Amino acid sequence: EVQLLESGGGLVQPGGSLRLSCAASGFTFSSYAMSWVRQAPGKGLEWVSAISGSGGSTYYADSVKGRFTISRDNSKNTLYLQMNSLRAEDTAVYYCAKTLFMGTVGEDAFDIWGQGTMVTVSS
Amino acid sequence: EIVLTQSPGTLSLSPGERATLSCRASQSISSSNLAWYQQKSGQAPRLLIYGASSRAAGIPDRFSGSGSGTDFTLTISRLEPEDFAVYYCQQYGSSLTFGGGTKVEIK
Repeated sequence: EVQLLESGGGLVQPGGSLRLSCAASGFTFSSYAMSWVRQAPGKGLEWVSAISGSGGSTYYADSVKGRFTISRDNSKNTLYLQMNSLRAEDTAVYYCAKTLFMGTVGEDAFDIWGQGTMVTVSS
Repeated sequence: EIVLTQSPGTLSLSPGERATLSCRASQSISSSNLAWYQQKSGQAPRLLIYGASSRAAGIPDRFSGSGSGTDFTLTISRLEPEDFAVYYCQQYGSSLTFGGGTKVEIK
């Protein structure tokens, strides 16, 4: 079964850091670009960041550029999101998502989503 | 950045009725790179449609997508009780953006 499982969320103070992880199983992880998508409480979906299958190309939304870093370890089938200088407006459920087609660099539909991990930025 | 505007914000319908959801882009979306997702409360989004009109694996044929350029539509031919949810469009032709969502609620 194709599955994504996020972890690492929690409560952090403004200005703090957090690293999210997403463990993948059931597919050839290195063949697919991956993304992080977030959803603030009661709000819509916002794409955050994407990374190519090899990890050589990364992309960020303007709202997180310079503060967040996406990476992956294909030997561990795991995707990461390092979040620094966190703000209250970063409070959201963070989902990792798999692209539909192999070989894309990130601009694709998402056919598999994790269950999400909640990040709360508050003092 | 391509902005996606979904309408209406809320659609109140009865089971068995037809639902028509709109997604309008601020500029033309290349190669019909548009997807539709369904999200139920407390759950992750589920891919319904990609490439504007192709159904994802396991999606019932009562869901259909159409459109090109800047105007796209998701149609649910006959609403089933499990179809009441929030629906999002997403473009992936130029970076990635989502629409604000349409809630389909029971009338």
